[in-house]
Amino acid sequence: DGGITQSPKYLFRKEGQNVTLSCEQNLNHDAMYWYRQDPGQGLRLIYYSQIVNDFQKGDIAEGYSVSREKKESFPLTVTSAQKNPTAFYLCASKHGQGGSPLHFGNGTRLTVT
Amino acid sequence: QKEVEQDPGPLSVPEGAIVSLNCTYSNSAFQYFMWYRQYSRKGPELLMYTYSSGNKEDGRFTAQVDKSSKYISLFIRDSQPSDSATYLCAMSGPHGSSNTGKLIFGQGTTLQVKP
Repeated sequence: DGGITQSPKYLFRKEGQNVTLSCEQNLNHDAMYWYRQDPGQGLRLIYYSQIVNDFQKGDIAEGYSVSREKKESFPLTVTSAQKNPTAFYLCASKHGQGGSPLHFGNGTRLTVT
Repeated sequence: QKEVEQDPGPLSVPEGAIVSLNCTYSNSAFQYFMWYRQYSRKGPELLMYTYSSGNKEDGRFTAQVDKSSKYISLFIRDSQPSDSATYLCAMSGPHGSSNTGKLIFGQGTTLQVKP
């Protein structure tokens, strides 16, 4: 079955460490997105990529970095510069650039202590 | 003012009730409207997808879009305990330099259906 796989489901890190969240899709979608979800704040866009080797900052990109070397993969690195990294991170993809809907993975819960 | 407003609830109803979930928005350029359902510790799953104004029905779910009032609704008939989840509205404008297909999400409404 086609879908979006995020791993791991739960991730624990010490403050000051960088951590990379994995996102793989086999839907042959061109565009991929990373969102952060916090209680009471809805989904906020971190980074998105509409094509391989190209990506753009979203609304809250500070302290995060991404790469898009393959169509299927869009890993997110949470750096030590992110001041409040504990959150639920969601990866999504969609076909094309128009108004088609996003398809989401099941998220990674990151806890930084 | 947020581009999309959604009452976070929580909303609690008895099993079998009709549920009405709503979002208002401020950007008249929005043309694509979606409703997602999100269970705890899971990713959102697409429930309904509509373009421009009108109604769309899928089983127990009906989505309505009123562009003149900048108001969208999701109705759930004969609600079940398995409908207990957070419901997110989302919308986007036409493809163009100011949009690039990005969705704007509401905050989400938490629904509990009691047996």
